[in-house]
Amino acid sequence: KQEVTQIPAALSVPEGENLVLNCSFTDSAIYNLQWFRQDPGKGLTSLLLIQSSQREQTSGRLNASLDKSSGRSTLYIAASQPGDSATYLCAVTIQGGSEKLVFGKGTKLTVNP
Amino acid sequence: KAGVTQTPRYLIKTRGQQVTLSCSPISGHRSVSWYQQTPGQGLQFLFEYFSETQRNKGNFPGRFSGRQFSNSRSEMNVSTLELGDSALYLCASSLWFRGQGSTDTQYFGPGTRLTVL
Repeated sequence: KQEVTQIPAALSVPEGENLVLNCSFTDSAIYNLQWFRQDPGKGLTSLLLIQSSQREQTSGRLNASLDKSSGRSTLYIAASQPGDSATYLCAVTIQGGSEKLVFGKGTKLTVNP
Repeated sequence: KAGVTQTPRYLIKTRGQQVTLSCSPISGHRSVSWYQQTPGQGLQFLFEYFSETQRNKGNFPGRFSGRQFSNSRSEMNVSTLELGDSALYLCASSLWFRGQGSTDTQYFGPGTRLTVL
């Protein structure tokens, strides 16, 4: 059974700092991995999607990497801002008969002004 | 283009009752997926509908069911509510069925917060 783990569960940093969020998964048989952002009381916003054949994806200040063989992904946020404060979730699309997303429990990020 | 809408946003029910939640996908999207989010279990996949057919199902009891209409709108029903069903229920839509190797992005609605007393 695929399990997705995110460490740390919470992170507090001062504004301007570069930071890395970690995601690990137990089964490398995935189609892709996605990073989402969730703001309080709101749904999820997709940030980046990395296909299993790719190593990284970039969007603005965000860079996500994927090492399928080791079951790890990182989300790098450059020059963090208070508006980046949110919960970040990673999810993998697993292979097999059921094409579904398996989520980690998220990292709650607080960026202090 | 309007986003994914879910109604109602908040709901309070008592044990043993049943509830129906509604999700309207982005115009033109044909796939709707449902998820349950709780503090203890996180986000868990319930099921996915495409062209009025359930394509995938997560590991939830038969009390959880859904359907999709010809206009792609979807409803989720939970019968005989239990305290543990209290959660944020999210739906997400995408253009196409999330088949093998799909690169299709899912767009999430704001969720329905269900509280079971």
